[in-house]
Amino acid sequence: AQRVTQPEKLLSVFKGAPVELKCNYSYSGSPELFWYVQYSRQRLQLLLRHISRESIKGFTADLNKGETSFHLKKPFAQEEDSAMYYCALISRAGNMLTFGGGTRLMVKP
Amino acid sequence: DAMVIQNPRYQVTQFGKPVTLSCSQTLNHNVMYWYQQKSSQAPKLLFHYYDKDFNNEADTPDNFQSRRPNTSFCFLDIRSPGLGDAAMYLCATSRAGSNQPQHFGDGTRLSIL
Repeated sequence: AQRVTQPEKLLSVFKGAPVELKCNYSYSGSPELFWYVQYSRQRLQLLLRHISRESIKGFTADLNKGETSFHLKKPFAQEEDSAMYYCALISRAGNMLTFGGGTRLMVKP
Repeated sequence: DAMVIQNPRYQVTQFGKPVTLSCSQTLNHNVMYWYQQKSSQAPKLLFHYYDKDFNNEADTPDNFQSRRPNTSFCFLDIRSPGLGDAAMYLCATSRAGSNQPQHFGDGTRLSIL
């Protein structure tokens, strides 16, 4: 069975501080991993996916198969980064997303 | 220019009174999904359509049904809503394929009186 774990429900940092949102997964195969973000009163939207190896809004995430992790990082947090972040996994066999429990990031001024 | 549109944004129904939530898309995606998201929880997949093929998650209650009359529209029917069904219901679409991202609507918040 596939599972995604985000150990922190809430992460609070000051503006300008580095931020790392943790995500661990269990899946017997090669997963596709995503980070989705939900800003206050907005729809859930894709932030980035591991296959693209891109940086979006200063965020990056590296898939570490040895540690089965896909942590989201940003060197300098901004207040507008405050949001709910979900790590998600999709199996190569289908389209079904399995979400982690989510981490609420609060960036304080 | 919303591409996945859910109506209404807020829906109130009475305990046991059937309710239908709607979703439409302008992306022409093959796959449409319905998720239930309760407060402070992750979205939970209820079912999805791959074109006309309906795929129900094993733990989705029988009380929840869905219809997809054409590519653009998908409906979520709750036959006899209970208090525990109060939640945000999210519709999403994607192209077929495991690396295809899902595009979400704004959701419909369902309240049960």
